[in-house]
Amino acid sequence: TQLLEQSPQFLSIQEGENLTVYCNSSSVFSSLQWYRQEPGEGPVLLVTVVTGGEVKKLKRLTFQFGDARKDSSLHITAAQPGDTGLYLCAGESGYALNFGKGTSLLVTP
Amino acid sequence: KAGVTQTPRYLIKTRGQQVTLSCSPISGHRSVSWYQQTPGQGLQFLFEYFSETQRNKGNFPGRFSGRQFSNSRSEMNVSTLELGDSALYLCASSRTDYGYTFGSGTRLTVV
Repeated sequence: TQLLEQSPQFLSIQEGENLTVYCNSSSVFSSLQWYRQEPGEGPVLLVTVVTGGEVKKLKRLTFQFGDARKDSSLHITAAQPGDTGLYLCAGESGYALNFGKGTSLLVTP
Repeated sequence: KAGVTQTPRYLIKTRGQQVTLSCSPISGHRSVSWYQQTPGQGLQFLFEYFSETQRNKGNFPGRFSGRQFSNSRSEMNVSTLELGDSALYLCASSRTDYGYTFGSGTRLTVV
């Protein structure tokens, strides 16, 4: 099993602050995906990154894939209470997703 | 368009019983995979099916099994339930290798 480590595990910030979540692995993945999950629901895909060095932007969210395709980061600018949730990174390998344990984000007004 | 549908949403079973969970993928999606989510272990891969064939299986005991039908709908079965099987079971469907759509899950409680 290829392990994905996410940091930090928990993050509590105030509305308007910026934050970065990290996802690191010793393995190379064909793609790396970021999901957001709310309590009692399934994860929702935010982005898929495939190419080393790739940067993707989704409104206030910026995703980077490391040059060696082993690590990724998610940066949120001016966080809002609606960003609250569990952020999961997942590496794809052999028709399976290997998930990190997630970063639980709480944004308070 | 309709998303991934999992039934039932909630289930309570007794140790030793067996359970069958159902998943209907998005129309046109031929790949269906299953995951178990627990607070301690996070999301763990169970198995993946494509056109009724299992292409990959995670590190779970043989009590966990699945199948896929010709219409891409999938079921997973857990026999001889243990307390540790209590979890949120998630099904995901995909049309390509990049990006999965998850259902809302089935919350299984074993008492």
